[in-house]
Amino acid sequence: SQKIEQNSEALNIQEGKTATLTCNYTNYSPAYLQWYRQDPGRGPVFLLLIRENEKEKRKERLKVTFDTTLKQSLFHITASQPADSATYLCAGNNDYKLSFGAGTTVTVRA
Amino acid sequence: DTGVSQNPRHKITKRGQNVTFRCDPISEHNRLYWYRQTLGQGPEFLTYFQNEAQLEKSRLLSDRFSAERPKGSFSTLEIQRTEQGDSAMYLCASSFDRDRANYGYTFGSGTRLTVV
Repeated sequence: SQKIEQNSEALNIQEGKTATLTCNYTNYSPAYLQWYRQDPGRGPVFLLLIRENEKEKRKERLKVTFDTTLKQSLFHITASQPADSATYLCAGNNDYKLSFGAGTTVTVRA
Repeated sequence: DTGVSQNPRHKITKRGQNVTFRCDPISEHNRLYWYRQTLGQGPEFLTYFQNEAQLEKSRLLSDRFSAERPKGSFSTLEIQRTEQGDSAMYLCASSFDRDRANYGYTFGSGTRLTVV
């Protein structure tokens, strides 16, 4: 069955450093990969979407890549801040249905 | 319009009782989705509406679950004869067709269900 995997459950980094999160997909080829932020007790909030024919996309301090050869997306938070502490979810889709990974919880230490 | 609204935010119910949740999507959005999320996991797809038509139901959605979207506006998710395994966060999301290639889905804050 199609699967989205986020390798790390947790990532702890020092303020100012770059956080890099990995998302791998197996048994299917999503046309889109999306990244969401989720705070405790809240719903996911959309951050970025990248299409399979795009290699990289940026939004402020966020950068996402899509490598169809490696079947992988990388999500970077540059110049990280304590306010970036949250769980980040990767999701893939071809049409309307999103398949989510389990998420990576990022903690940024001041 | 302030986004996707879900009510109630929290629900505690006894096993065997019926519960109903409501979702009010963004008014211009024609697509509405229900997802379920348990602790430490990502959201799992339950069902999807395009306008008032329910187009797909996940195998996760047993016959105790039913969802409606009358008139293509708000949606309700009902769980009959609740079981402890139904305890989870139930998330609603909405989107608009033409935005799909550029924007993600807008999620509500969810309804946290606890079955005791």
